[in-house]
Amino acid sequence: GEDVEQSLFLSVREGDSSVINCTYTDSSSTYLYWYKQEPGAGLQLLTYIFSNMDMKQDQRLTVLLNKKDKHLSLRIADTQTGDSAIYFCAESIKSSGSARQLTFGSGTQLTVLP
Amino acid sequence: DAGVTQSPTHLIKTRGQQVTLRCSPKSGHDTVSWYQQALGQGPQFIFQYYEEEERQRGNFPDRFSGHQFPNYSSELNVNALLLGDSALYLCASSSYTDRVLNEQFFGPGTRLTVL
Repeated sequence: GEDVEQSLFLSVREGDSSVINCTYTDSSSTYLYWYKQEPGAGLQLLTYIFSNMDMKQDQRLTVLLNKKDKHLSLRIADTQTGDSAIYFCAESIKSSGSARQLTFGSGTQLTVLP
Repeated sequence: DAGVTQSPTHLIKTRGQQVTLRCSPKSGHDTVSWYQQALGQGPQFIFQYYEEEERQRGNFPDRFSGHQFPNYSSELNVNALLLGDSALYLCASSSYTDRVLNEQFFGPGTRLTVL
């Protein structure tokens, strides 16, 4: 079955690093994604990682993928108050023909304290 | 370059009514996906349209239907509204030629409240 799980809440101090974790179930996922959602807004794609990679770094963001354990994490360095938002991980699942759909976790609410 | 746009922003309906939500994809995109996001939850996939046809569907009843027009814009229709249909409805666009990467760009959503 398809299920993506995340912890619900994370609080960090401004300037610290944040690590948001996610587990997924579909081993056929080719890409995994991290999205950010601010209050009252749609989803913004932050970064993605191809399933044959272990790590991807993009400025303050580092994505780690453990394919054996189906574990994905997002590390945000030097976390700022503007990083306060809900973060969703998602996997791309092949459903019919060549079509793929995104399956999302429930989201992690990141609160950055001054 | 306009991103994904959705209308209306907010909508209030009563049980049993029907609703139509609209989406215009990002310029250059030809595929539109719709998601339902209930309060405190992640988005749930409803269906995806490409070349004016429904290409795949999530676990939603037939009360949810859609359409894609030749200009790639799309509508989501929900009939016989239930209280549980209250949610943020998100539209995402992507490019079929990029379907393996499946990079989807989301609109701001339509907040539907069913009373």
